Amino acid sequence: DAGVIQSPRHEVTEMGQEVTLRCKPISGHNSLFWYRQTMMRGLELLIYFNNNVPIDDSGMPEDRFSAKMPNASFSTLKIQPSEPRDSAVYFCASSHRGPNTEAFFGQGTRLTVV
Amino acid sequence: AQSVTQLDSHVSVSEGTPVLLRCNYSSSYSPSLFWYVQHPNKGLQLLLKYTSAATLVKGINGFEAEFKKSETSFHLTKPSAHMSDAAEYFCVVTSTSGGSYIPTFGRGTSLIVHP
Repeated sequence: DAGVIQSPRHEVTEMGQEVTLRCKPISGHNSLFWYRQTMMRGLELLIYFNNNVPIDDSGMPEDRFSAKMPNASFSTLKIQPSEPRDSAVYFCASSHRGPNTEAFFGQGTRLTVV
Repeated sequence: AQSVTQLDSHVSVSEGTPVLLRCNYSSSYSPSLFWYVQHPNKGLQLLLKYTSAATLVKGINGFEAEFKKSETSFHLTKPSAHMSDAAEYFCVVTSTSGGSYIPTFGRGTSLIVHP
């Protein structure tokens, strides 16, 4: 398996524009997580899905952020409109659902909003 | 709720000397614990995991960690540091919520290796 695949790797956009980040989890995994990493706050969980269903989005910072998982092999994180404070690295991770299973992370998307 | 505390934000060692990265956890039951490594501008890679089997866990690249329930600790060690070990290290506990299992990260420890 190629692992968790995120695209794009880098995104530079202007304030106010819509940004869509994409994630393909590892085949067979039934949990998917979106994290945001910044120097100030470290790694924050934004939202997670079990079997394509959003379970907890309490980590999503504002209504400008939304995430979907239309099927088991694809998820998106959308920011509309984007703001400079959204600049961060966004990671997607997937795992088998269970207490002893590790999460596998993608390479991340580095978002810069100018 | 489960949580982890990484006691040092930065650890600096000389190449060839031992490495100790400290992690304490808080959990109401026997936890699943992990260490991940992140090299600059890279994703997160699993180093090792503890899942209630052996308390001494061996991982990749010569790292190991010991689960100590009495001390609620899961410190990461390596006998001899290499320059390539310079990276950010994260201690992770699996939090449970309504049947879901969520990786919860510590703030990270930056390992600096001097020649």
